[in-house]
Amino acid sequence: DVKVTQSSRYLVKRTGEKVFLECVQDMDHENMFWYRQDPGLGLRLIYFSYDVKMKEKGDIPEGYSVSREKKERFSLILESASTNQTSMYLCASTPGWTGGEQYFGPGTRLTVT
Amino acid sequence: KQEVTQIPAALSVPEGENLVLNCSFTDSAIYNLQWFRQDPGKGLTSLLLIQSSQREQTSGRLNASLDKSSGRSTLYIAASQPGDSATYLCAVWGSARQLTFGSGTQLTVLP
Repeated sequence: DVKVTQSSRYLVKRTGEKVFLECVQDMDHENMFWYRQDPGLGLRLIYFSYDVKMKEKGDIPEGYSVSREKKERFSLILESASTNQTSMYLCASTPGWTGGEQYFGPGTRLTVT
Repeated sequence: KQEVTQIPAALSVPEGENLVLNCSFTDSAIYNLQWFRQDPGKGLTSLLLIQSSQREQTSGRLNASLDKSSGRSTLYIAASQPGDSATYLCAVWGSARQLTFGSGTQLTVLP
């Protein structure tokens, strides 16, 4: 079974802190994604990557950055956390240019106080 | 830009009913369409993936169809159970190399 794991299920951080959310997949997928999900707004794409050291902005990249040093690991970084970044963060991976089944991690519920 | 719409937004049915969830998309140039299930506070679980060359996929009590030319997909759930209660999302993968999601249908199956 494909596994996508995320470093934390729940996280509480203070305003202004630098926050790292880590995601690891074990199926050698090329593509990896970070989404946030908020009530009434659905899933919104923050960043994605289709290769090591490659990154592309999604729909809402402001306030975030990403790192992909190894194929299996994709990190989301909140440079200076703010309360409006309180959300559920979901990581996903999928193979190949034409896509394929996308697998999601369990999510990280981040609260910024 | 691709847009995905799901109707209805919410649905409540008695246990044992067969039901259909609808998904429509504006750009028919897709590689595949995927149906997901999400339980409250959890990640998304993939249910079915339909490639653009396929018409339908089946898994247990679930059957998904795809009519690419008309931009429509349906998810059929047979003999619904309370454990089927969840939000169901459809998403399409196109040339932008990312999934575009619908806003979901929240399903409640009453015992």
